[in-house]
Amino acid sequence: KAGVTQTPRYLIKTRGQQVTLSCSPISGHRSVSWYQQTPGQGLQFLFEYFSETQRNKGNFPGRFSGRQFSNSRSEMNVSTLELGDSALYLCASSLEEKGWYGYTFGSGTRLTVV
Amino acid sequence: AQTVTQSQPEMSVQEAETVTLSCTYDTSENNYYLFWYKQPPSRQMILVIRQEAYKQQNATENRFSVNFQKAAKSFSLKISDSQLGDTAMYFCAFMKQYSGSEKLVFGKGTKLTVNP
Repeated sequence: KAGVTQTPRYLIKTRGQQVTLSCSPISGHRSVSWYQQTPGQGLQFLFEYFSETQRNKGNFPGRFSGRQFSNSRSEMNVSTLELGDSALYLCASSLEEKGWYGYTFGSGTRLTVV
Repeated sequence: AQTVTQSQPEMSVQEAETVTLSCTYDTSENNYYLFWYKQPPSRQMILVIRQEAYKQQNATENRFSVNFQKAAKSFSLKISDSQLGDTAMYFCAFMKQYSGSEKLVFGKGTKLTVNP
């Protein structure tokens, strides 16, 4: 079965622009989480969705937002891009409501802000 | 807040040998889960092994096993019979149980290189 699919794989944006990243979880998975990975800060939790509801949000500014659709696909949006938003954005999904059995990750979207 | 520390930024091992990656964590919680994830150059994080804090028995998955010391808050990963395909970044991660906050808290990672 297909894994977690993230599109696009690479993205280059200019400072001040906005960007939308997409994540399609494994079929049947209803929990979707997003993480930001940078060399300096490592992996940091952005948000988590379950059944179209945002259950948790990490310590990121309001420029970072997301949503989940009824088919469990999720998008995250970053507005007014800053150079520091350059990172690998990883999406992960879980079959269970809680991710206690581990999440399945996608290959990420590499965002470069210039 | 929980923190996870991986004290070895880089390690290397010869093919077929055994290597142990260290991880310590800080929490006041009693119920939680611990994970080791592998991230090869393809970027996809792959779950290697999982441990439930309430279980004393150490988890094992084929060549991968953990040494879980709850009192010491230590969770090391042992890779036996290392293979070239084990070359990757390895991340230790923590998740609280029953918190309503099912997020993973990751360490900074250990870059493992398996040499032929």
